[in-house]
Amino acid sequence: DTGVSQDPRHKITKRGQNVTFRCDPISEHNRLYWYRQTLGQGPEFLTYFQNEAQLEKSRLLSDRFSAERPKGSFSTLEIQRTEQGDSAMYLCASSPGTVPGYTFGSGTRLTVV
Amino acid sequence: RKEVEQDPGPFNVPEGATVAFNCTYSNSASQSFFWYRQDCRKEPKLLMSVYSSGNEDGRFTAQLNRASQYISLLIRDSKLSDSATYLCVVNMYGNRDDKIIFGKGTRLHILP
Repeated sequence: DTGVSQDPRHKITKRGQNVTFRCDPISEHNRLYWYRQTLGQGPEFLTYFQNEAQLEKSRLLSDRFSAERPKGSFSTLEIQRTEQGDSAMYLCASSPGTVPGYTFGSGTRLTVV
Repeated sequence: RKEVEQDPGPFNVPEGATVAFNCTYSNSASQSFFWYRQDCRKEPKLLMSVYSSGNEDGRFTAQLNRASQYISLLIRDSKLSDSATYLCVVNMYGNRDDKIIFGKGTRLHILP
């Protein structure tokens, strides 16, 4: 499978716990994006990387959120001290940098109880 | 004003009918425009790009009005399988920065 992979598909966690999601992009794509989608809303931009450099972070990305892309390949998104408001679908997309070029992964659905 | 605005619907349309959605965007410098389709609990997928001259792909027609800052999607002879959420998407910087901004989506239900 040469698409974008996200792991896990589903995560249920207790409030206050830390969680980490992983995204494996299409190997030739140098850009990687994270979006968050809640029920009834479109995907909201969180952050993106060009290779290993994090180029932009949304104001939605509070201090409890951190994303990395070491070596410019896979990326991780960590949420510390989860809150119920963090419950959402976290989508990863990769792109070769041309428009339109996005390929989305299937997402990680987070439920904070 | 939100960057991309859409009527959330739902639009309940009988099979075979024609349905149209509009979307407005706030940044007049926006470069590229798209419609994405999202099925329930699935990831968004590109439906079609929107070109200045308007473009058609089978039963789907997309149009762009830069003066009024809106784009539209027309679906003719609607099928049950067209039931989905349609996301209006805008890119502001072209190939210099391919970050895209999504609208909230318009839900479409095709009724048998």
